[in-house]
Amino acid sequence: EVQLLESGGGLVQPGGSLRLSCAASGFMFEGYVISWVRQAPGKGLEWVAGISGSGSTSYYGDSVQGRFTVARDNSRNTVSLQMDSLRAEDTAVYYCAKDREVGIWDYFESWGRGTLVTVSS
Amino acid sequence: DIVLTQSPATLSLSPGDRATLTCRASQSVGSSLAWYQQKPGQAPRLLIFDASGRATDIPARFSGGGSGTDFTLTISSLEPDDFAVYYCQQRRRFPLTFGGGTKVEIK
Repeated sequence: EVQLLESGGGLVQPGGSLRLSCAASGFMFEGYVISWVRQAPGKGLEWVAGISGSGSTSYYGDSVQGRFTVARDNSRNTVSLQMDSLRAEDTAVYYCAKDREVGIWDYFESWGRGTLVTVSS
Repeated sequence: DIVLTQSPATLSLSPGDRATLTCRASQSVGSSLAWYQQKPGQAPRLLIFDASGRATDIPARFSGGGSGTDFTLTISSLEPDDFAVYYCQQRRRFPLTFGGGTKVEIK
C-alpha cells in the first residue's frame, strides 16, 4: 500500500523558514516524481514544486520560485521542501503527492494527509 | 502559464441527476488534463487522467471528455457520496496548474 506522510508544519513568522518532509513507503520510490501541492484555507489547489525520481530535475510554481527548494533522499525514501522568506500568503495545508506513472511527469495519484503551515506574527 | 477556468463555480443538483462540469484552458493542453474530487478535510482523489481515462477504482458513472482547450467531467447519475468539489489540472506545461474548482452541492 502506498503511504505518504508529511511532517514539519507549524507556525512561523513572516520572513522565516520552515522545512517540510514527506516520508514514502509501499512503492519503488526512486522511480516516481513527487510533488508538493498546497491549499490555502477555504481555497483551491496550487501546485508548488515537483522533483523527478532521480532528483536531477525540479520545477516550481511561480509564487514560490526562488524561495522554496525541493530535494529528495532516495536512500531514505523522503522528499523535503525547504521554505524560505515565508509570507502570509504561504499559509496553507501542504500535501505531498506521488505521480501515477513511473518515470514521467504525470498526474497525482496518491496523496498524503497534509501538514498545515501558518505564517503569522 | 496555462490558466484553467472551471464552470460553474457551484452546481446544485439532486441525487440521481446528471452533472456536467466544464474546464477551459487558456491555450491548448492536448489531452493532458486530469480531474480530481475533494471532500472536506480530505486530500484530493484522482478521477480522470489524460482527459478521458478513468483512474483505478473509479466508478463508471464518472466520465471525461474533450481535448485542446475544452473539457468536461460528467457524472451520469449522482450518488450521495459524489457531492464534493471537483478540480481540473493540466500537465502539458510547467508550471502545472489547477482550475479554481466546481462545488457540486445537494439541491
